[in-house]
Amino acid sequence: EAGVAQSPRYKIIEKRQSVAFWCNPISGHATLYWYQQILGQGPKLLIQFQNNGVVDDSQLPKDRFSAERLKGVDSTLKIQPAKLEDSAVYLCASSLLIAGGTTDTQYFGPGTRLTVL
Amino acid sequence: RKEVEQDPGPFNVPEGATVAFNCTYSNSASQSFFWYRQDCRKEPKLLMSVYSSGNEDGRFTAQLNRASQYISLLIRDSKLSDSATYLCVVNIRDNTSGTYKYIFGTGTRLKVLA
Repeated sequence: EAGVAQSPRYKIIEKRQSVAFWCNPISGHATLYWYQQILGQGPKLLIQFQNNGVVDDSQLPKDRFSAERLKGVDSTLKIQPAKLEDSAVYLCASSLLIAGGTTDTQYFGPGTRLTVL
Repeated sequence: RKEVEQDPGPFNVPEGATVAFNCTYSNSASQSFFWYRQDCRKEPKLLMSVYSSGNEDGRFTAQLNRASQYISLLIRDSKLSDSATYLCVVNIRDNTSGTYKYIFGTGTRLKVLA
């Protein structure tokens, strides 16, 4: 079974530039998550999709971050304009169930390592 | 107070040692609990779920204490390959949306020394 795919794996940009990340979840997984992981910290949820609808974006800095999951499959996360503090690994994860649940398991992609200069 | 708290470590232990990590959570409505392992520059991977009755998987034992709101992970007979960061994860149900979200701790670094 193919895992969660993400691209690019690495990205270096200058502050105030724009960047986009792509994620393709495991086939059939209803829920898709984007996390930001800053060095030395645990992953922080940015946005959670249930099929193609947003169920939680409370920690997404909406003035600069946006995400979409058209057709309920793959997803893109965009940052515009980037700031120095956005340097982090952006992890995409997916899980099978629509509403998550106590027995649901998240599977993570390899992440995109973003460096903002 | 953070929703999920862990001692960041690092824990440096010799091969063969037993090491224990604790994690506390603040939301009493938390539904389920997990330990994830994250190797350096890799993505997190599920190590084990944590059940109320406690559960064991080989050298790994997980315990949950709902009354005190903490979770533990015990690793026996540590191997060099156990060196990693161990993330405590709590699954909380949002009563408004009916969906679940995962809250991660900062992770505890373990280094097993030869």
